[in-house]
Amino acid sequence: AQSVAQPEDQVNVAEGNPLTVKCTYSVSGNPYLFWYVQYPNRGLQFLLKYITGDNLVKGSYGFEAEFNKSQTSFHLKKPSALVSDSALYFCAVRDSGSYGGSQGNLIFGKGTKLSVKP
Amino acid sequence: GAVVSQHPSWVICKSGTSVKIECRSLDFQATTMFWYRQFPKQSLMLMATSNEGSKATYEQGVEKDKFLINHASLTLSTLTVTSAHPEDSSFYICSARGQTIVDEQFFGPGTRLTVL
Repeated sequence: AQSVAQPEDQVNVAEGNPLTVKCTYSVSGNPYLFWYVQYPNRGLQFLLKYITGDNLVKGSYGFEAEFNKSQTSFHLKKPSALVSDSALYFCAVRDSGSYGGSQGNLIFGKGTKLSVKP
Repeated sequence: GAVVSQHPSWVICKSGTSVKIECRSLDFQATTMFWYRQFPKQSLMLMATSNEGSKATYEQGVEKDKFLINHASLTLSTLTVTSAHPEDSSFYICSARGQTIVDEQFFGPGTRLTVL
């Protein structure tokens, strides 16, 4: 069964410092991995995805994520955090072997709240 | 990225009434649409998946007669909460995806439903 784990409920970072939001996954086939951000009372905004190719994926708002197959991880990173980055971040996975119906949908982690202090 | 809209953004209704939420993909054809429910400080729970012109596939534990989903076109899906009760109060989010499995899902802004 597919699953995603975000081990941290909350990550606190000072503005200007690098940030990392952790994500590990489990799928039976090759993973398609995604990061989304959610601001209060809003839907999810797409940040980046890994399908194939370069393990380092660059996305929106200066975020990037590194796919590590041996560690089954896809941690989200940013070199210098901004206060405006404070939000809820979701990692998601889709099994490349699944398609159609509910098997083709994303499986989400429980989310990690990022708090960036000035 | 592509835009998905939801209407209304919030709704308050009396217990026993029905509420319809619309989800539209504004600039792409959404072969598949998803409906999620999110409780406070929790992740998204998939309720159902619908493909245009087909009946929706509901996740286990989701009552299909209570949460009616219609995906009449490639740009519109609706979720109707029938005979709503206070426990149905939640944040409902729709999502749309294009034709291939590598396509990312684009999410609507969500609808806050409060049932009195």
